[in-house]
Amino acid sequence: AQSVTQLDSQVPVFEEAPVELRCNYSSSVSVYLFWYVQYPNQGLQLLLKYLSGSTLVKGINGFEAEFNKSQTSFHLRKPSVHISDTAEYFCALDRPSGSRLTFGEGTQLTVNP
Amino acid sequence: DTEVTQTPKHLVMGMTNKKSLKCEQHMGHRAMYWYKQKAKKPPELMFVYSYEKLSINESVPSRFSPECPNSSLLNLHLHALQPEDSALYLCASSQGGLAGRTDTQYFGPGTRLTVL
Repeated sequence: AQSVTQLDSQVPVFEEAPVELRCNYSSSVSVYLFWYVQYPNQGLQLLLKYLSGSTLVKGINGFEAEFNKSQTSFHLRKPSVHISDTAEYFCALDRPSGSRLTFGEGTQLTVNP
Repeated sequence: DTEVTQTPKHLVMGMTNKKSLKCEQHMGHRAMYWYKQKAKKPPELMFVYSYEKLSINESVPSRFSPECPNSSLLNLHLHALQPEDSALYLCASSQGGLAGRTDTQYFGPGTRLTVL
């Protein structure tokens, strides 16, 4: 069985500060990893994904994530956040046979002025 | 274009009503999904259609009835719902198909359902 743990349910930061949202996963097989963002009253938008290759993945809106197989982590980072980054962020994994996403519980990022 | 559209945006219904949610994509995707999302929780998978056939039903009560009339369209028919069914209903699509290859799911904006 696979699982995803997002280590922080809420992350408050000030505008222009760096941020890291932590995600650990558990799986007995290789997995593919995703970060989605959900703005208030909206659907989920894909931020970035790791399928294979380079372990540093760049996504939209200046976000990046690093896949670390030995630590089974896929942390999301942004060097300088904006007020508009305030949203719920979900880490998710999928099995190689695809398409059954397993989501973490989510991290609410709140960017304060 | 990675757009999935859903209608209506909001829906209020009584427990005896029958209503339908609609989802559409024009990306040529062959897999489509329905999720239910309660406040402050991740989406929960309900149904998966692959090549217009129901491939996964996550033990969803029969008051929810999915339908895939063609490869671009996915409906969710609702009947005799309960207040606890109030939630955001999300549709997603992905390319679908090949074993050993994962898909990226693209989500619609959702329908906010309230059952009175």
